[in-house]
Amino acid sequence: QSALTQPASVSGSPGQSITISCTGTSSDVGNYNVVSWYQRHPGKAPKLVIYEVSQRPSGVFDRFSGSKSGNAAFLTISGLQAEDEADYYCCSYAGSRVYVFGSGTKVTVI
Amino acid sequence: EVYLVESGGGLVQPGGSLRLSCAASGFTFSNYEMIWVRQAPGKGLEWVSYINPGGSTIYYTESVKGRFTISRDNAKTSLSLQMNGLTAEDTAVYYCAREAANGYNFDFWGQGTLVTVSS
Repeated sequence: QSALTQPASVSGSPGQSITISCTGTSSDVGNYNVVSWYQRHPGKAPKLVIYEVSQRPSGVFDRFSGSKSGNAAFLTISGLQAEDEADYYCCSYAGSRVYVFGSGTKVTVI
Repeated sequence: EVYLVESGGGLVQPGGSLRLSCAASGFTFSNYEMIWVRQAPGKGLEWVSYINPGGSTIYYTESVKGRFTISRDNAKTSLSLQMNGLTAEDTAVYYCAREAANGYNFDFWGQGTLVTVSS
């Protein structure tokens, strides 16, 4: 399984919206509606922010949203805030309890 | 509150072995699937291994098959990863994570333990 492709970095100003893409294949992202997204601040444990493509866990702000089209998934952060500056990783189920993660995207709030 | 605490990382020579542990608390460990994930320096997250609640179903990423062994002790609420035949490519921070009850995503993670394979 190859890593899902994400842009290395995305930046935005406070209050703006940004979208991070996550491109896989018909064997993972395109075949299962179980893409999840994780936020990781330096030195901290990853935190689940989106599951099953577009579902938000309780406690996650509604400015985080997810979607999918074909072999690509997307994480949108609306109303960007300083605390959103972190690394973000997508993850897709790939069958037989195998998972594939994305290469990671560094979000910078400028 | 859910806690996952990894331990056992360190510096090991190529070809050596290391056993990682993940101590779980704050939830009924025996009800949950668990995984190991790693992050090599400058790279993204990589799924390493999966184990079901009873320990009877196990999967590995191709690069560690035959070298790594995942196991769990539900009585001690502990997850382990035995790593043999280590190479430089195994250098990474290793995380244990809990698969959410609704499946296919990981709702709690540990802080990670660093494994460095170098002579």
